[in-house]
Amino acid sequence: NAGVTQTPKFQVLKTGQSMTLQCAQDMNHEYMSWYRQDPGMGLRLIHYSVGAGITDQGEVPNGYNVSRSTTEDFPLRLLSAAPSQTSVYFCASKFGGANEKLFFGSGTQLSVL
Amino acid sequence: GQSLEQPSEVTAVEGAIVQINCTYQTSGFYGLSWYQQHDGGAPTFLSYNGLDGLEETGRFSSFLSRSDSYGYLLLQELQMKDSASYFCARGDNFNKFYFGSGTKLNVKP
Repeated sequence: NAGVTQTPKFQVLKTGQSMTLQCAQDMNHEYMSWYRQDPGMGLRLIHYSVGAGITDQGEVPNGYNVSRSTTEDFPLRLLSAAPSQTSVYFCASKFGGANEKLFFGSGTQLSVL
Repeated sequence: GQSLEQPSEVTAVEGAIVQINCTYQTSGFYGLSWYQQHDGGAPTFLSYNGLDGLEETGRFSSFLSRSDSYGYLLLQELQMKDSASYFCARGDNFNKFYFGSGTKLNVKP
């Protein structure tokens, strides 16, 4: 099993550009989520999904869109990139229900100029 | 709010024991988890406490007191490879997880 796979690992954007961060998992996890991590801070939840066709907002959803058309994939879209979105982005998944163990991808380092 | 408080940095010597504390706000609390993150790496799950008491996994243990809104991670027999950041995290309804700002552990020889 590959676990949680994120692409790309690094990305540089200009202000106003759009892009999609990809996340895929092969563990048949119902739950998937996106976090951003800024220097000296913990991870902050952007969006999450408890199953295909179901998404909801986290702590910091503004400027980001998600969709969940399959169990395996959970892409994160930046509609119009801003310098404030410069961060490291992590995708994480887990089994549904009371299980608390999150499995993280290796992260995407995004810079918006 | 959903804030979790933990010390920003801790230093200890190889072979020692270190405790990293975490206090949290109680609204909608379901349990406390701990994650390890090495520089440039992804967080990895260490431990979870859903009930009061101690959970032990090898050299690592985690404790929770719901009445005190407090938990800690205990690392024994410290090794250089334990130098990393450690995050406490709480779930509120199994779907939203909130992380502390992290404690950077420096292990010195």
